[in-house]
Amino acid sequence: DVKVTQSSRYLVKRTGEKVFLECVQDMDHENMFWYRQDPGLGLRLIYFSYDVKMKEKGDIPEGYSVSREKKERFSLILESASTNQTSMYLCASSLTDTSTDTQYFGPGTRLTVL
Amino acid sequence: GQQVMQIPQYQHVQEGEDFTTYCNSSTTLSNIQWYKQRPGGHPVFLIQLVKSGEVKKQKRLTFQFGEAKKNSSLHITATQTTDVGTYFCAGPRGNKLVFGAGTILRVKS
Repeated sequence: DVKVTQSSRYLVKRTGEKVFLECVQDMDHENMFWYRQDPGLGLRLIYFSYDVKMKEKGDIPEGYSVSREKKERFSLILESASTNQTSMYLCASSLTDTSTDTQYFGPGTRLTVL
Repeated sequence: GQQVMQIPQYQHVQEGEDFTTYCNSSTTLSNIQWYKQRPGGHPVFLIQLVKSGEVKKQKRLTFQFGEAKKNSSLHITATQTTDVGTYFCAGPRGNKLVFGAGTILRVKS
């Protein structure tokens, strides 16, 4: 079974802090994704990576950056957290194709920015 | 850009009643996927449809892909309390997978 883990289930940060969300997958998947989930808006793609050190912007990349130094790990960085970044953040991975392969999700990190 | 619209946003049914959620795209999709997210959980893949007019069943769940490959539906027969959650459809847009906003299903027992 594919396992996707995220570093924290709950996180509380203050406005202006730098925030790191970590995601690890154990199935040697090529692709990894970061989404945020807000009520009524579904899952919105922030960034994704199709290979080590390769990344591409999703639909809402503003205020975020990512890092993929190793195949199994994909980090989401909030350079200066703001209250409008309070949300549920979901990491996912898929085998080879970024648009058609099944995505496997981690448990999510609920981030609150005060 | 291409969007995937999902309706209804929310549905509350009596246990034993049927439930349907619909997914519509402005453009033709090569395939469509469905996911379920239980309350407090994360999305879990249910199924992928690829062929025009395709119908697939998983126990009480029936998935359809439209003839024009622009719409899809998920129908649950005789809902149970274990069916509660949010159901998402997702379709490819370029090199990304785009999710609908989801339909939240609540079941009254």
